[in-house]
Amino acid sequence: GQQLNQSPQSMFIQEGEDVSMNCTSSSIFNTWLWYKQDPGEGPVLLIALYKAGELTSNGRLTAQFGITRKDSFLNISASIPSDVGIYFCAGHADAGGTSYGKLTFGQGTILTVHP
Amino acid sequence: DAGVIQSPRHEVTEMGQEVTLRCKPISGHDYLFWYRQTMMRGLELLIYFNNNVPIDDSGMPEDRFSAKMPNASFSTLKIQPSEPRDSAVYFCASSLLAEAFFGQGTRLTVV
Repeated sequence: GQQLNQSPQSMFIQEGEDVSMNCTSSSIFNTWLWYKQDPGEGPVLLIALYKAGELTSNGRLTAQFGITRKDSFLNISASIPSDVGIYFCAGHADAGGTSYGKLTFGQGTILTVHP
Repeated sequence: DAGVIQSPRHEVTEMGQEVTLRCKPISGHDYLFWYRQTMMRGLELLIYFNNNVPIDDSGMPEDRFSAKMPNASFSTLKIQPSEPRDSAVYFCASSLLAEAFFGQGTRLTVV
């Protein structure tokens, strides 16, 4: 089945530093999504990417949809303590078949920001 | 919209008891997903529905787990009988297109 490899598994950074994480897939996705999960909460959608090569920003967050449609990255600039949490990538394949409609998630990147 | 609403937020039960988790999706969303999250296995998709019909239940761990969606605004995930290894956070999510929106989850502890 489809698998997403997300890296790194964890990051420990100083406040103010930039962060980069990425996801790679063995198969093609038509949509890439990035979520953040705070402790005790459900994942919250940060950014959605719909086209190969697309670069999208949301405040200090920037994400790109790889041109091969098999990868995506997320950058966080000038990190702050509230960026702490688990970041997940997710891919959506909207071709027909049994996988239609569901997301495949990466394993998550645990981000710790030291003040 | 209030978002995806799950209840209860926390559930502690004894091994062997029946547990029912509830979910109200976002109005107008036609996909509903049930996920389980543990430290060891991350986010696992258990089952998902489209227009109230189960599409893929291959992630349901065993026959002790069952899920229903009697109408567009309500779904349940039932575990009977519950076992300690079922302890996890269970999330419900709904979507219209690719973007899934998650509830706050139910933290289940089976002792």
